[in-house]
Amino acid sequence: SQTIHQWPATLVQPVGSPLSLECTVEGTSNPNLYWYRQAAGRGLQLLFYSVGIGQISSEVPQNLSASRPQDRQFILSSKKLLLSDSGFYLCAWLKTRDTQYFGPGTRLTVL
Amino acid sequence: DQQVKQNSPSLSVQEGRISILNCDYTNSMFDYFLWYKKYPAEGPTFLISISSIKDKNEDGRFTVFLNKSAKHLSLHIVPSQPGDSAVYFCAASADAGNMLTFGGGTRLMVKP
Repeated sequence: SQTIHQWPATLVQPVGSPLSLECTVEGTSNPNLYWYRQAAGRGLQLLFYSVGIGQISSEVPQNLSASRPQDRQFILSSKKLLLSDSGFYLCAWLKTRDTQYFGPGTRLTVL
Repeated sequence: DQQVKQNSPSLSVQEGRISILNCDYTNSMFDYFLWYKKYPAEGPTFLISISSIKDKNEDGRFTVFLNKSAKHLSLHIVPSQPGDSAVYFCAASADAGNMLTFGGGTRLMVKP
C-alpha cells in the first residue's frame, strides 16, 4: 500500500532562518506531488506541484522554493523565513485522477 | 477570484441529526468534485467524490449531491456523530485533471 510521510511534524524557527521540509511517498513510482499551505483559519493554498524529477511548477510567487531530487521525494525550502510563512504545510500525492492524498503535515511557527 | 466557495465558515448540529455542508463553484470546466475532512494538526482525509456525469454519490453515512445548473454541491452526513466534528473542504478539478481547487472550509461541530 502507498503511504506518504512528512517531517518534521512541528518546527519553530526564527525570522530569517532557512527552512527545509521533506515529503516522501512509498509504494508508488513517479507520482504527481504537491505542496500546500494552510494559514491559520484559512483554506488550502497550493504552493508547488511536480510531475517528475526536477520538474517544479510554482503557483504562488514567494520566498519559498521546492525541489524534487528523487522520484518519491519532494522538498520545500526557504533561504530566509518571514513571519508570514507560519502555517501548516501539507504534502499530497495524486493517487487516481483528481484524487489527492495528503500527508500528516508540518506545523511551522516563525517567531 | 475564488472559484470554489464554502460560504458557511461554521456549522453546529446535534448528534443524530443531518449535517449539510454546501459548496459553490464558478468555473464551468470543473467536472470532478471531492470532499475532504480535516482534524486539527492532521492532513486532510479524502471522504467522497463525484463526477459531473452523476448527480449523487453515496458512501455509508456520507452523500454528495451535485447540481450542475446551479454550480452547487453539498455533502450530507446522516446521522451526524461527535467524531464528525472537523473542518470539511470541498475541492474541484477541471478536465485537465490532477489540479484541485479548494474551498475555504467549513468547521462542523456535532454536539452530543
